[in-house]
Amino acid sequence: AQKVTQAQTEISVVEKEDVTLDCVYETRDTTYYLFWYKQPPSGELVFLIRRNSFDEQNEISGRYSWNFQKSTSSFNFTITASQVVDSAVYFCALSVWQAGTALIFGKGTTLSVSS
Amino acid sequence: DSGVTQTPKHLITATGQRVTLRCSPRSGDLSVYWYQQSLDQGLQFLIQYYNGEERAKGNILERFSAQQFPDLHSELNLSSLELGDSALYFCASSPGSGGTGELFFGEGSRLTVL
Repeated sequence: AQKVTQAQTEISVVEKEDVTLDCVYETRDTTYYLFWYKQPPSGELVFLIRRNSFDEQNEISGRYSWNFQKSTSSFNFTITASQVVDSAVYFCALSVWQAGTALIFGKGTTLSVSS
Repeated sequence: DSGVTQTPKHLITATGQRVTLRCSPRSGDLSVYWYQQSLDQGLQFLIQYYNGEERAKGNILERFSAQQFPDLHSELNLSSLELGDSALYFCASSPGSGGTGELFFGEGSRLTVL
């Protein structure tokens, strides 16, 4: 069975601080996909990134970066120089490569950025 | 705008009632997924349809049912509603049947059961 754990329920930072959101996953499959989604206060789910299990390269997109480590089954998300607009719930999710499976989400981490 | 349309956006009803939530996937997407988001359970996968056929089933209660129609829109039917069914129900779509790609989520239907 697959599982995603986001141990941090809530994080509060002040603007311009860097913040890392942790994600640990469990799966026995060798081919899988990891995702991060953002849910701002307005409620919609916004896709941020997808990573497959064969690509351990870290990725940077503007102030966002992701660190994928298979050895520790982690896919952590760092926001550099956080801004108030980053306040949202962030979900890590896992999917395995087979038909008939769906995206399994972690419980989410609520990030509050104050000015 | 993800291209996934959900109606209604808000719904208030009473216990014991039945409601239907509707989802129109992105143009060209064959898979539709339903998720329930509640405060205590987080985002729970309910069910997936691919091109009209049920493809995967998650934690969907027997009081709930879904279907996908030939035009690929989907409906989630919730019956004998209980207070605990109050939640945000998301529909998502994807082009294929597997779990390799991004899911595109609608804005959700917020159900309040009084």
